[in-house]
Amino acid sequence: RKEVEQDPGPFNVPEGATVAFNCTYSNSASQSFFWYRQDCRKEPKLLMSVYSSGNEDGRFTAQLNRASQYISLLIRDSKLSDSATYLCVVKLGTNAGKSTFGDGTTLTVKP
Amino acid sequence: DADVTQTPRNRITKTGKRIMLECSQTKGHDRMYWYRQDPGLGLRLIYYSFDVKDINKGEISDGYSVSRQAQAKFSLSLESAIPNQTALYFCATSGTGGNTIYFGEGSWLTVV
Repeated sequence: RKEVEQDPGPFNVPEGATVAFNCTYSNSASQSFFWYRQDCRKEPKLLMSVYSSGNEDGRFTAQLNRASQYISLLIRDSKLSDSATYLCVVKLGTNAGKSTFGDGTTLTVKP
Repeated sequence: DADVTQTPRNRITKTGKRIMLECSQTKGHDRMYWYRQDPGLGLRLIYYSFDVKDINKGEISDGYSVSRQAQAKFSLSLESAIPNQTALYFCATSGTGGNTIYFGEGSWLTVV
């Protein structure tokens, strides 16, 4: 089993739609969680951190469920520019040696 | 200018050749990483370094070596390249807290 698993996708949605991605992690000692965005053939960039209480940044909402060991990303009112691959990232702790990346979920928003 | 710079950005090399990918950063971060990305497989960590005297293997270090020449420089070498090392390689940095990872633009390597 992979340490971090994401919905396989791809997700194809119309503009204005709401779409949600899930990510599960296997190590219950994981402490830090993030969503990164990667555009085609570009480098990944931090989209948002995921906090225990959940957090929102504009149209994006991230949630953490420690009991079930998953995190989610909700995108409301999808824009064409949201088309990208979304990577789930998990770390054991602030000073942990490495971050583990999921394989990503590809989103295509269509007119 | 990019905070994390990789060279070369694209390289085609032959099987058995030695190739070096270089990375430099201007963010003043102590931590540097090399990742590899293959289609459908996400990012996999090759090596990471917490400071100039610290080098650690990642999950797929076989066939690779690294050198941390200075705080700002971290190079990745393929001593004898093989075709299954064809991939997109990313250098990255993070601060001491290590939460946000900043990536270079990537180096496309093709081994023929």
